[in-house]
Amino acid sequence: GAVVSQHPSWVICKSGTSVKIECRSLDFQATTMFWYRQFPKQSLMLMATSNEGSKATYEQGVEKDKFLINHASLTLSTLTVTSAHPEDSSFYICSARDPGHNEQFFGPGTRLTVL
Amino acid sequence: AQSVTQLDSQVPVFEEAPVELRCNYSSSVSVYLFWYVQYPNQGLQLLLKYLSGSTLVKGINGFEAEFNKSQTSFHLRKPSVHISDTAEYFCAVTMNSGGYQKVTFGIGTKLQVIP
Repeated sequence: GAVVSQHPSWVICKSGTSVKIECRSLDFQATTMFWYRQFPKQSLMLMATSNEGSKATYEQGVEKDKFLINHASLTLSTLTVTSAHPEDSSFYICSARDPGHNEQFFGPGTRLTVL
Repeated sequence: AQSVTQLDSQVPVFEEAPVELRCNYSSSVSVYLFWYVQYPNQGLQLLLKYLSGSTLVKGINGFEAEFNKSQTSFHLRKPSVHISDTAEYFCAVTMNSGGYQKVTFGIGTKLQVIP
């Protein structure tokens, strides 16, 4: 199947700093990527849909100014958590849609810990 | 709108015993259905999917699932589990209504295989 990578796999930062997470589709072009957040022992919650060359579509309750999404190319989307706080600590997972398939391919996730 | 219900949050089972993880969905239109597995601190891996055709779907690692439209279910089964099957399993659904629709995940079922 298609491969999606995320970088970094884990990050620890101080409260008030910003953190950027990258999501790459390695062997296909993804016009649409998705960002999810997963709290411990909970399911994935869709945060936003990232469309190449246009603004991201955010889910209700997700602050677009806090979670900045950029999808500058067909293989890269970035999520920047601005002015991170301890409550932003979570597991962030991206996925990419391969246009030729009716499924999403998931990245390995990024564990963010804000101290 | 669609929704997914995974009734069992945890399922303990002895090694080499059979297991069934239950998933029910609701949707006003036809759907695509998926089962994903998540190992600790990792992203999601697709186990199997139902798009159309045969209602019995076989996936990786010896898992299979059966789509039952009348009961709106998509239960996951394995005849003999291994210790390595210990993980979190997520059922997911997306509408089959043209174009690409968002995926909705269940809350997950933690499968614990007991030696």
